[in-house]
Amino acid sequence: AQRVTQPEKLLSVFKGAPVELKCNYSYSGSPELFWYVQYSRQRLQLLLRHISRESIKGFTADLNKGETSFHLKKPFAQEEDSAMYYCALSGANQAGTALIFGKGTTLSVSS
Amino acid sequence: EAGVAQSPRYKIIEKRQSVAFWCNPISGHATLYWYQQILGQGPKLLIQFQNNGVVDDSQLPKDRFSAERLKGVDSTLKIQPAKLEDSAVYLCASSYGTGETYEQYFGPGTRLTVT
Repeated sequence: AQRVTQPEKLLSVFKGAPVELKCNYSYSGSPELFWYVQYSRQRLQLLLRHISRESIKGFTADLNKGETSFHLKKPFAQEEDSAMYYCALSGANQAGTALIFGKGTTLSVSS
Repeated sequence: EAGVAQSPRYKIIEKRQSVAFWCNPISGHATLYWYQQILGQGPKLLIQFQNNGVVDDSQLPKDRFSAERLKGVDSTLKIQPAKLEDSAVYLCASSYGTGETYEQYFGPGTRLTVT
């Protein structure tokens, strides 16, 4: 079954500390993986996707097919990074574009 | 550009009543999605439209949920009759096309409470 697992419900770090939000997936085929973010009182928005291999707001994520993981990392957390983060997988339906989301991880960065 | 619009933003109804949600996607976006997000969960696809045709409604509880996208623009999602377990945020999203390279843009959501 196609599934996205985010094992941590809440991750609390201090400003300047490294951050790693974990994401594991189950998918038969070549997955397209994404990280979405929802800041307080804002809409869900795309943070980054693995095919673009870019760094957004200092965040990076590497697809590890051997470990079926797509962890989100940032070397130095900032308070403005506090938000809900969702890992998502595309290709869930015949159109290939519906997203399957994990349950999300709340990142709390304090000073 | 204007984002995805949804209304109402909040709705409280009693079980067995009916309710409808409206979504206006970004202009020019051919693909429209409705997701259901139950508290503590990630969004789950209910239905996907490509223009005014249904691409995937396999997870839509068709005995009580219906959706349409007349003229390939706006869309409405209806629940009749509502159950307590339908309490959730209903998210509408749109994208320019159906490939993975096309970003999905989400609306603010409609928070439904069924009492």
